[in-house]
Amino acid sequence: AQSVAQPEDQVNVAEGNPLTVKCTYSVSGNPYLFWYVQYPNRGLQFLLKYITGDNLVKGSYGFEAEFNKSQTSFHLKKPSALVSDSALYFCAVRDMGRSGGYNKLIFGAGTRLAVHP
Amino acid sequence: DGGITQSPKYLFRKEGQNVTLSCEQNLNHDAMYWYRQDPGQGLRLIYYSQIVNDFQKGDIAEGYSVSREKKESFPLTVTSAQKNPTAFYLCASSKQGIGNEQFFGPGTRLTVL
Repeated sequence: AQSVAQPEDQVNVAEGNPLTVKCTYSVSGNPYLFWYVQYPNRGLQFLLKYITGDNLVKGSYGFEAEFNKSQTSFHLKKPSALVSDSALYFCAVRDMGRSGGYNKLIFGAGTRLAVHP
Repeated sequence: DGGITQSPKYLFRKEGQNVTLSCEQNLNHDAMYWYRQDPGQGLRLIYYSQIVNDFQKGDIAEGYSVSREKKESFPLTVTSAQKNPTAFYLCASSKQGIGNEQFFGPGTRLTVL
């Protein structure tokens, strides 16, 4: 079965330190991977995606993610965390069992990032 | 959230009532989606639609219904058959084509009294 796992419910980081939010996936074939961020009582905002090409993908707000095929991982990273980065982060993978132009996504359960001053 | 509007932001329903959540997009996207979000469970797909007058059940469609009469609009009805409807509901849209990201609306929080 296709799935996405975010092994940490919460990640705590001091402001200015690097942050990593982990994501692993299980799909058949080459994956299409996404990261989204959600602030309280808001919708999700797209951060970045991996479709093909360079394993290091750069996205919005200084975030980047590294695709590792051998480890089936797509960890989200940022060199220097800000207090304003505190939010809920979701990793998602396209459901490869679907044909056509649908982009049905399978979401992880989310990781809450808390950046402390 | 830009380009997708959801209304109302908060909705209260008595048990046994049907309610309809609105979702409108001006992004000219072909595909639209409805998700339900519960604490600690991520997002679960309710229904999705690729074109007007066509939609498909997602993973948790029981107790919900949708329509897609216009490209811009994809309303969701939560029926009395939905046993546990209290949740945060998110609408999204995307361009046609594999790998295109979804854009999300601000959400509607439904509470059953």
